[in-house]
Amino acid sequence: DAGITQSPRYKITETGRQVTLMCHQTWSHSYMFWYRQDLGHGLRLIYYSAAADITDKGEVPDGYVVSRSKTENFPLTLESATRSQTSVYFCASRLVGSTNEKLFFGSGTQLSVL
Amino acid sequence: DAKTTQPPSMDCAEGRAANLPCNHSTISGNEYVYWYRQIHSQGPQYIIHGLKNNETNEMASLIITEDRKSSTLILPHATLRDTAVYYCIVGGGATNKLIFGTGTLLAVQP
Repeated sequence: DAGITQSPRYKITETGRQVTLMCHQTWSHSYMFWYRQDLGHGLRLIYYSAAADITDKGEVPDGYVVSRSKTENFPLTLESATRSQTSVYFCASRLVGSTNEKLFFGSGTQLSVL
Repeated sequence: DAKTTQPPSMDCAEGRAANLPCNHSTISGNEYVYWYRQIHSQGPQYIIHGLKNNETNEMASLIITEDRKSSTLILPHATLRDTAVYYCIVGGGATNKLIFGTGTLLAVQP
């Protein structure tokens, strides 16, 4: 089915390791976003991308790296994971310029850094 | 970026209308008001959005004040399945990143 998919669904890693969370969308939406949600809190924007090869920082970008070589993929990398990065990560996409500019969210990746 | 202010929690009786307020006093002229909700730990779900005029769809109604500094999301007949965290966010136009606040936890009571 068309949509936005995230992988893995769950990930456990150790402090200092590199981790990459994947996000793939099948709509060719121009905009893609990464949010994190800590237990009991709202969503905070990490990075977003307006198109392939165009990315920009959100509210909490430190410790994260993104790339967007293809429109449909927007991976998020934690270069050296820390315990404070334990969170649920949501990817989203958005078609801008239409009359219905809503965000579509993936199911999330639950990341635990030990 | 415009910020929003929402009450942290609200209760509503099943079958009654739920009116969720949102203040966005720093909204700029080309920014939209969006409402999303999040049930349990699922990804947020789009509900409705608007610019100036009131909007209605199959899920809810959105009332935006004339000065655009506040809005109200109305769920006309709340059900238990409407229990969720509701987020009011502003953005779009020249600023395409959407910043979520902490939202309102709506508890629909039987």
